[in-house]
Amino acid sequence: KNQVEQSPQSLIILEGKNCTLQCNYTVSPFSNLRWYKQDTGRGPVSLTIMTFSENTKSNGRYTATLDADTKQSSLHITASQLSDSASYICVVWGMDSNYQLIWGAGTKLIIKP
Amino acid sequence: EAQVTQNPRYLITVTGKKLTVTCSQNMNHEYMSWYRQDPGLGLRQIYYSMNVEATDKGDVPEGYKVSRKEKRNFPLILESPSPNQTSLYFCASSLQGGDEKLFFGSGTQLSVL
Repeated sequence: KNQVEQSPQSLIILEGKNCTLQCNYTVSPFSNLRWYKQDTGRGPVSLTIMTFSENTKSNGRYTATLDADTKQSSLHITASQLSDSASYICVVWGMDSNYQLIWGAGTKLIIKP
Repeated sequence: EAQVTQNPRYLITVTGKKLTVTCSQNMNHEYMSWYRQDPGLGLRQIYYSMNVEATDKGDVPEGYKVSRKEKRNFPLILESPSPNQTSLYFCASSLQGGDEKLFFGSGTQLSVL
């Protein structure tokens, strides 16, 4: 059972355009959700964390949203740059057999000049 | 510079030949963990350690061993590697574990022939 689903699997956009990546989860109970950015050939780096009570949080050109009622989160990237090309991974801290990190498979984003 | 250092970055070996992937962190973190990353799948936890001499199985521990004799080091041992262990491996650490931000190494791409 995959409790954290990310879409799309991959996405290609032109430099300067905006995009939105989705993360849907069925984890319950849910505590928080974190987005990581993984550059090719590197380990993931945390972008932001969304707690149960937060709706929106921005980190530069990245804006994360969370709707705990519908169990959905999104990561919006504004005015994309070539350096945004990476995989973006959503991970939820919640209950499976016990409290643990439950990882999505990621969205691979390619920015074309 | 605060970092998690893994070695080697790339490793090609043959079935049955014991190998060790090293991991070291300089942030005085209590928690360390090993993950494997395969195409189309989320990060899967192999083993983790909450403190020195305290290790525990993750989701996919079969065929792997770890040790935590010092706080900073957490090596991953494959006693008899098999082709299904071909994967990208990441070491990660955080201050106390749980839902805290993880700091990842740059990864080790392992190929078992």
